Amino acid sequence: DADVTQTPRNRITKTGKRIMLECSQTKGHDRMYWYRQDPGLGLRLIYYSFDVKDINKGEISDGYSVSRQAQAKFSLSLESAIPNQTALYFCATSRDGVDYGYTFGSGTRLTVV
Amino acid sequence: DQQVKQNSPSLSVQEGRISILNCDYTNSMFDYFLWYKKYPAEGPTFLISISSIKDKNEDGRFTVFLNKSAKHLSLHIVPSQPGDSAVYFCAASIQGAQKLVFGQGTRLTINP
Repeated sequence: DADVTQTPRNRITKTGKRIMLECSQTKGHDRMYWYRQDPGLGLRLIYYSFDVKDINKGEISDGYSVSRQAQAKFSLSLESAIPNQTALYFCATSRDGVDYGYTFGSGTRLTVV
Repeated sequence: DQQVKQNSPSLSVQEGRISILNCDYTNSMFDYFLWYKKYPAEGPTFLISISSIKDKNEDGRFTVFLNKSAKHLSLHIVPSQPGDSAVYFCAASIQGAQKLVFGQGTRLTINP
């Protein structure tokens, strides 16, 4: 099993729908992150969490919300999906900050039509 | 405002030659830099990193160089192999902030 598992792998949804992307990890890491990847823009941080009770906005949090249900689970929600949220979404975990690098999931490709 | 920039969207190199990927940053507070490699349908994987107290870090075929005065870092791959074909992301952090800022990525293609 993968250390960081994202579900679903692919999703097509309609404008205005609510959708949740899920991430679970077996690394035992406290820190978890959600990024989105867009062509020409690289990876941009949406939200991050340093423990279950700590949630922080990243650079592009508008239109998104998150839930840290447990140390191992971090979900990203789009309350009302819009087409410009079409992107590749990655969940990542880290141990004691960035010095050791992140472990990424395989990504969720989301298309909003 | 893109704080970490990879100005070359793509690079093509012949197998066995050197690949040089470049990255520039604007925030002088960044003090830790990383390179990630990404294959299609997979998440990025950590490749190599460097602290701002160093100007070079080497790991096998991969070497990262940091020029703080120019706010520039580069990744050298020698010799390049077909399995190196991937997208490479440069990332930077301020230690203590514990979150990475990524560049746009460079797609490296190694030709036989």
